[in-house]
Amino acid sequence: NAGVTQTPKFRILKIGQSMTLQCAQDMNHNYMYWYRQDPGMGLKLIYYSVGAGITDKGEVPNGYNVSRSTTEDFPLRLELAAPSQTSVYFCASRLDAGYTFGSGTRLTVV
Amino acid sequence: AQSVTQLGSHVSVSEGALVLLRCNYSSSVPPYLFWYVQYPNQGLQLLLKYTTGATLVKGINGFEAEFKKSETSFHLTKPSAHMSDAAEYFCAVTPRRTSYGKLTFGQGTILTVHP
Repeated sequence: NAGVTQTPKFRILKIGQSMTLQCAQDMNHNYMYWYRQDPGMGLKLIYYSVGAGITDKGEVPNGYNVSRSTTEDFPLRLELAAPSQTSVYFCASRLDAGYTFGSGTRLTVV
Repeated sequence: AQSVTQLGSHVSVSEGALVLLRCNYSSSVPPYLFWYVQYPNQGLQLLLKYTTGATLVKGINGFEAEFKKSETSFHLTKPSAHMSDAAEYFCAVTPRRTSYGKLTFGQGTILTVHP
């Protein structure tokens, strides 16, 4: 009964590096989401997916990419890290009106 | 497009006092409404949600919220604050149809509880 698992929990990147934030859920939810949280800004939607093979942009997609090859996994890719991507990233899955959030990944780009 | 406004980025109360955190939304159709709490360096925990039925919703930790359609509001209250309530609180909404469940969050309200 793991819910939504995000890895890593913390990461420091240098400008221009790339990385993938992992998100996995074991609840067989079709809908999955990536949000970023910045102080005083709430959470902003980066990308979402309505099922395996189907993804779409959210409010702040620039600088990110996603894929959804399986129902369980929804990784978020940063290709060329920039300081503006310093944030806390949350993955979530949904069934009806019930959302499950992961514990977050704190990313710092220096 | 829907939006959420939380009035007051910081709210400070004394222990035992009433907690009132305000949330107003903008949507052409009443959405699903949520309140989440986030403790320092932790993830989001659902306090309560309104989907249908009774407009006064009771949640965990003694919190409740009332959906008022005429005021497009979903304010969060707790009769008596505890020190353990100190955290950041987020109001969020999603349309009932055709948005693929995308949540729109308010900017958050940091609650401080003084002894």
